[in-house]
Amino acid sequence: AQSVSQHNHHVILSEAASLELGCNYSYGGTVNLFWYVQYPGQHLQLLLKYFSGDPLVKGIKGFEAEFIKSKFSFNLRKPSVQWSDTAEYFCAVTRTSGTYKYIFGTGTRLKVLA
Amino acid sequence: GAGVSQTPSNKVTEKGKYVELRCDPISGHTALYWYRQSLGQGPEFLIYFQGTGAADDSGLPNDRFFAVRPEGSVSTLKIQRTERGDSAVYLCASSPSGLETQYFGPGTRLLVL
Repeated sequence: AQSVSQHNHHVILSEAASLELGCNYSYGGTVNLFWYVQYPGQHLQLLLKYFSGDPLVKGIKGFEAEFIKSKFSFNLRKPSVQWSDTAEYFCAVTRTSGTYKYIFGTGTRLKVLA
Repeated sequence: GAGVSQTPSNKVTEKGKYVELRCDPISGHTALYWYRQSLGQGPEFLIYFQGTGAADDSGLPNDRFFAVRPEGSVSTLKIQRTERGDSAVYLCASSPSGLETQYFGPGTRLLVL
């Protein structure tokens, strides 16, 4: 069965610090990968996604993620965080064929100190 | 345009009662998903629809849970004989097709006393 692991449950950073959130998935086939974000009081929204092609994908607000197939990883990065990045971040995976069932990780709660 | 809406926003019920949760997807979106999110967890897949049919219902925890989407638009998640363990936020999402960005609703917070 597919699963997604997010190793960091809570992260606290100061503004301008660099961010990397880990995401590993388990599935032997071809996958699509996503990062969703939930800002305080808001709905879950898409941050970025990987379907195919360049394994380094760029999303909104300066975020990027790198798909490393050999490591089954899709880590999220941002060179310099801002206070407004305080939110909960979820990694998700789905197969590329058959059922489009999405599997989400448990989330990482990021707090950025001003 | 309007986003995904869910009603009610909060529902308090007693153990053993029946509840219905409604989801209005973005107009024209053929795929609709239901998730359950407990405190400190990510969204847990329950079921997804392509049009009117359930394409994958493997996440429904047991036969007390059922969902319908009779006209390919609005969907209702139905929970019979509610249990305290059913307390969670129930999220709905829609997408133009199955393999694109999902747009989430605000969720229905269900509390079973």
